[in-house]
Amino acid sequence: KQEVTQIPAALSVPEGENLVLNCSFTDSAIYNLQWFRQDPGKGLTSLLLIQSSQREQTSGRLNASLDKSSGRSTLYIAASQPGDSATYLCAVGSGANNLFFGTGTRLTVIP
Amino acid sequence: SQTIHQWPATLVQPVGSPLSLECTVEGTSNPNLYWYRQAAGRGLQLLFYSVGIGQISSEVPQNLSASRPQDRQFILSSKKLLLSDSGFYLCAWSWTSGYEQYFGPGTRLTVT
Repeated sequence: KQEVTQIPAALSVPEGENLVLNCSFTDSAIYNLQWFRQDPGKGLTSLLLIQSSQREQTSGRLNASLDKSSGRSTLYIAASQPGDSATYLCAVGSGANNLFFGTGTRLTVIP
Repeated sequence: SQTIHQWPATLVQPVGSPLSLECTVEGTSNPNLYWYRQAAGRGLQLLFYSVGIGQISSEVPQNLSASRPQDRQFILSSKKLLLSDSGFYLCAWSWTSGYEQYFGPGTRLTVT
């Protein structure tokens, strides 16, 4: 069974800093990897999807990378803003329909 | 554009009572539909998915069941709730298998 780990569990940074969130997974036979954002008490907002054949995806200030062989993905956030404060979830698609989620990294950007 | 709705937003139910949570998707046809649960301090776990009307796959044996009576409607049910059923239930859809999943606003269920 796929296991997904996200480190750190919580992170606080001053506004304007660049930061990296980490995700690792145990089974490299994946369909895709998706990064989400979750605000307290809310649903998930999809940020980036990386297919298994891709190595990275970019959207605005966000860049996600994927290294299947090492079982790792990173989410890079440039020039962080207070509005980026949320929990960031990594989800690995193992099998066409099953996403395995990490427990998330809670990010706080301090003004 | 596509939108996904879930209701109710919050629900408090006693142990042993029945449950029905509803999810509907607008703006697409024949989507894949998913039910996830997020328990306190734990990651999201896939409960059920459906690739078409009447087609339900269960990922985790449990006290819950799912049905898809219409193309864009997905229902999560239980005949008798347990305390361990408490959690945040999220519905999601995707264009097809292996593609990006989009999540609804969720239902917070507290079983007392």
